[in-house]
Amino acid sequence: AQSVAQPEDQVNVAEGNPLTVKCTYSVSGNPYLFWYVQYPNRGLQFLLKYITGDNLVKGSYGFEAEFNKSQTSFHLKKPSALVSDSALYFCAVRDRNSGYALNFGKGTSLLVTP
Amino acid sequence: DAGVIQSPRHEVTEMGQEVTLRCKPISGHDYLFWYRQTMMRGLELLIYFNNNVPIDDSGMPEDRFSAKMPNASFSTLKIQPSEPRDSAVYFCASSLGLGNTGELFFGEGSRLTVL
Repeated sequence: AQSVAQPEDQVNVAEGNPLTVKCTYSVSGNPYLFWYVQYPNRGLQFLLKYITGDNLVKGSYGFEAEFNKSQTSFHLKKPSALVSDSALYFCAVRDRNSGYALNFGKGTSLLVTP
Repeated sequence: DAGVIQSPRHEVTEMGQEVTLRCKPISGHDYLFWYRQTMMRGLELLIYFNNNVPIDDSGMPEDRFSAKMPNASFSTLKIQPSEPRDSAVYFCASSLGLGNTGELFFGEGSRLTVL
């Protein structure tokens, strides 16, 4: 079985400060990992993905994520948060050996204050 | 490209009524997914199709739910009869199966309220 855990329901950060949204995963094989963002009353938007290669993945809107195999983590980061980054963030995993659907975490609400 | 298009955006109905949600995937995508989002359970995969064929429907809650994909550009999710616990946002997503590395592209969702 494949799963992801997002241990924080909410993350608060001041504008201009670095932000981290945590994600850990569990799969039987090697994972494909994804981050999505959801703004109120909207669908999920793709931010970035890790497939293979460099453990540091860069994505949209200045976000990046670091794949850490030993810690089974894929934390989302941004060096300097913007108020407009406030949204719901989802980590997702796909096991390379078991199908095409993504299994999503419960989401982390990010609030960036001015 | 217009993206994944879902209709209706909002549906309010009474318990026992039939509900049909519609989805047009991105042209050329060969995978289509139906997810349900609730506060309590987060995002749940209901069913997904590859080349119009259902591949995994293990997430469909019960026989009241059915999904079809009659062609590459259209899919429906039907609930009959609807119940208040079906109230949720239903998302359709499509993907290009690039050796299963492809990301999903989501529609804006259909918010269903069953009274």
